[in-house]
Amino acid sequence: DVKVTQSSRYLVKRTGEKVFLECVQDMDHENMFWYRQDPGLGLRLIYFSYDVKMKEKGDIPEGYSVSREKKERFSLILESASTNQTSMYLCASSLLLYGYTFGSGTRLTVV
Amino acid sequence: DAKTTQPNSMESNEEEPVHLPCNHSTISGTDYIHWYRQLPSQGPEYVIHGLTSNVNNRMASLAIAEDRKSSTLILHRATLRDAAVYYCILRDNDMRFGAGTRLTVKP
Repeated sequence: DVKVTQSSRYLVKRTGEKVFLECVQDMDHENMFWYRQDPGLGLRLIYFSYDVKMKEKGDIPEGYSVSREKKERFSLILESASTNQTSMYLCASSLLLYGYTFGSGTRLTVV
Repeated sequence: DAKTTQPNSMESNEEEPVHLPCNHSTISGTDYIHWYRQLPSQGPEYVIHGLTSNVNNRMASLAIAEDRKSSTLILHRATLRDAAVYYCILRDNDMRFGAGTRLTVKP
């Protein structure tokens, strides 16, 4: 089975800190995605990547950046964490237009 | 914006079939229809997908309207473990999720 692993299940950071959320997949998928999920708002796409060193903005990229230096790893970066970035963050990967596999999520709290 | 419309919530009794509807009136000819579900405290998981023909797998069935503007996910016998949020998505080069349908299964 494809595995998408997110480095932390729970994370607490202070306002203004630089935060790295890591995501690794083990099936050589080209596409990787970052979403955040908030009550009542569903899943919202932050950034996605179709290949190494490629990135595309999703619907809510403000305050975030991403890095994809290797095919299996897609990092989400909060340059200066703010309390409104407290959320559940979900990473996903897929092969071309096939189905997506999601990680278990990272619940980030910014205090 | 999400390209699909689903009811916010549905209820079912255990052991009974459940039909979860999804409207996608702006679907293009190459869009696959994907369904995912999200159990509490977990990431979404793949359920089923199709293009034109109805599809069956061990988890569910997918019925696609002839004009492809709507589809229905069918759980043949709902169990308590099927209680989740179900998302219907059109699969193109990226995937936007709507709010999905929260399914409650009553014992």
